[in-house]
Amino acid sequence: DSGVTQTPKHLITATGQRVTLRCSPRSGDLSVYWYQQSLDQGLQFLIQYYNGEERAKGNILERFSAQQFPDLHSELNLSSLELGDSALYFCASSVGPEGNQPQHFGDGTRLSIL
Amino acid sequence: DAKTTQPPSMDCAEGRAANLPCNHSTISGNEYVYWYRQIHSQGPQYIIHGLKNNETNEMASLIITEDRKSSTLILPHATLRDTAVYYCIVRVAFKAAGNKLTFGGGTRVLVKP
Repeated sequence: DSGVTQTPKHLITATGQRVTLRCSPRSGDLSVYWYQQSLDQGLQFLIQYYNGEERAKGNILERFSAQQFPDLHSELNLSSLELGDSALYFCASSVGPEGNQPQHFGDGTRLSIL
Repeated sequence: DAKTTQPPSMDCAEGRAANLPCNHSTISGNEYVYWYRQIHSQGPQYIIHGLKNNETNEMASLIITEDRKSSTLILPHATLRDTAVYYCIVRVAFKAAGNKLTFGGGTRVLVKP
């Protein structure tokens, strides 16, 4: 158990819909990261937050947005969903934003678009 | 961040040591070597990381060559539950613009009885 909690574990929805994925970081971790894993793309970094502020952006679509709240939990919002958005979405957390601190991953949310 | 090269797959025998190589010939002085593994579709699991010196924890040992251009992850006594994809990642220690992990293809390790 990494200590990172993601909900829901599974999500099935239709094209055009909007969903929200939630992540609670490990106790004491201030930095949160979101990753997407699809069959053809592998694990891709989406976005990072540190103590409520956006820190870095990867290949995140404009239809996707995220935020980190004062209690440090984070949400990833996906809108106007397309079939290609079907993937595993992982959240990770670390104590701080620096590269000498390991990221610990949750078990992911499996999103299926019908 | 420096790129890494890993063999796409390898088999090892249960109970024996598994030695997983990684080449990172363009690594910079302020870049760490990280190892993660992913069992089936579970979240990636942190294993170990190091900068220059060899490191050991309860899961594995990390051997980094003196020139830092390559490293080896050692699982001392492989079990069937160690079957997974293992990722070697190089990551800058301090970066104002954030610190993502860049995952390559990894090495698919199959532990056989």
